[in-house]
Amino acid sequence: SQQGEEDPQALSIQEGENATMNCSYKTSINNLQWYRQNSGRGLVHLILIRSNEREKHSGRLRVTLDTSKKSSSLLITASRAADTASYFCATDDQGAQKLVFGQGTRLTINP
Amino acid sequence: DAGVIQSPRHEVTEMGQEVTLRCKPISGHNSLFWYRQTMMRGLELLIYFNNNVPIDDSGMPEDRFSAKMPNASFSTLKIQPSEPRDSAVYFCASLRWVVGTDFWQPQHFGDGTRLSIL
Repeated sequence: SQQGEEDPQALSIQEGENATMNCSYKTSINNLQWYRQNSGRGLVHLILIRSNEREKHSGRLRVTLDTSKKSSSLLITASRAADTASYFCATDDQGAQKLVFGQGTRLTINP
Repeated sequence: DAGVIQSPRHEVTEMGQEVTLRCKPISGHNSLFWYRQTMMRGLELLIYFNNNVPIDDSGMPEDRFSAKMPNASFSTLKIQPSEPRDSAVYFCASLRWVVGTDFWQPQHFGDGTRLSIL
């Protein structure tokens, strides 16, 4: 079963706007990761946030984690056409050496 | 640095045929994962190896699927006999894990094999 569930399933915005995607999960975790997938390509790791962290930044990316609500958000600021892709959150089942991926959010940036 | 290399990139074959997918992980990586991605089920973990040893194959759909890792630089996923419902994109991913440290490092994915079973 899916551990992470992304919301929305699809998002279309204008270039330059900010994009926010959310992820909810069900069980306790050690860390949560976000990945990007361009059409026809493999997943690329974006950022990892550990369960004892609340916020993390990487360039134009900002990730938050609320373990009490079992949710995370990914914010992409000043979006560019090249950000068009699917974005996935992935979590571990605490103690398990594997990631469980959500269904993803399809982000389209319109020029 | 070379990334994870998968071959073939595309495979079209008829139902009942044997299919072999190949993966070369990043040099120095010691954990390898096989995933399957479909529209209906998303990205599913099939099996993963640590130091060439299969650790968890609970995601392998049935006995028609088998995976091997004969050495640190090569893994195969075999489907025999193949069925139309096996059509999907199959990804291989790898990471470097040092025993005694946090396992959950970023995974590095190949670009996948798009498999179509007619």
